[in-house]
Amino acid sequence: KNQVEQSPQSLIILEGKNCTLQCNYTVSPFSNLRWYKQDTGRGPVSLTIMTFSENTKSNGRYTATLDADTKQSSLHITASQLSDSASYICVVSDYGRGSTLGRLYFGRGTQLTVWP
Amino acid sequence: DAGITQSPRHKVTETGTPVTLRCHQTENHRYMYWYRQDPGHGLRLIHYSYGVKDTDKGEVSDGYSVSRSKTEDFLLTLESATSSQTSVYFCAIGDRVTEAFFGQGTRLTVV
Repeated sequence: KNQVEQSPQSLIILEGKNCTLQCNYTVSPFSNLRWYKQDTGRGPVSLTIMTFSENTKSNGRYTATLDADTKQSSLHITASQLSDSASYICVVSDYGRGSTLGRLYFGRGTQLTVWP
Repeated sequence: DAGITQSPRHKVTETGTPVTLRCHQTENHRYMYWYRQDPGHGLRLIHYSYGVKDTDKGEVSDGYSVSRSKTEDFLLTLESATSSQTSVYFCAIGDRVTEAFFGQGTRLTVV
């Protein structure tokens, strides 16, 4: 069964500190993996996307890693800011098979709170 | 917001009434999706469209119908709203089936 599991469910850190969020998946055949940031009351916004051959992708203070062999990804946030407080969602997509379209599989997200 | 507009942004309706949510895009993307987001469940796919008049069910399609008569518009209809359909609804678009750009969401409350 295709699944995406994220940990921790929630995390509180102090402003300026670093943190790492985890994503494990069982989706196959793997197409790509995205990390989204969702601010309260808004829609998710894509931070990074990685395909099978990529193992690191950065977007400012956000760095995502992918280990396709172990089916794990992490999102590292450096020098956190108050504006980083949000839910971070890992989304994995597969390739379609035959007449079936590929689809997206969503983790339940990690709720990050950054305190001053 | 990737050229996506959802309307209305907020709605309160009574049980048993029909409700239609609209998603409008200006990107000419082929794929359009409707998701619902509830605490403890994350985002779940209701219906999706892969072209004008081409739609299919997602994992939580019961009680919902969709229509796409134009590339830019994707409508989600609750024929007879129930309290279990109280949720935040997100429309998403993509040029490939493996990507999704989300709208701002519609908060629907069924009382």
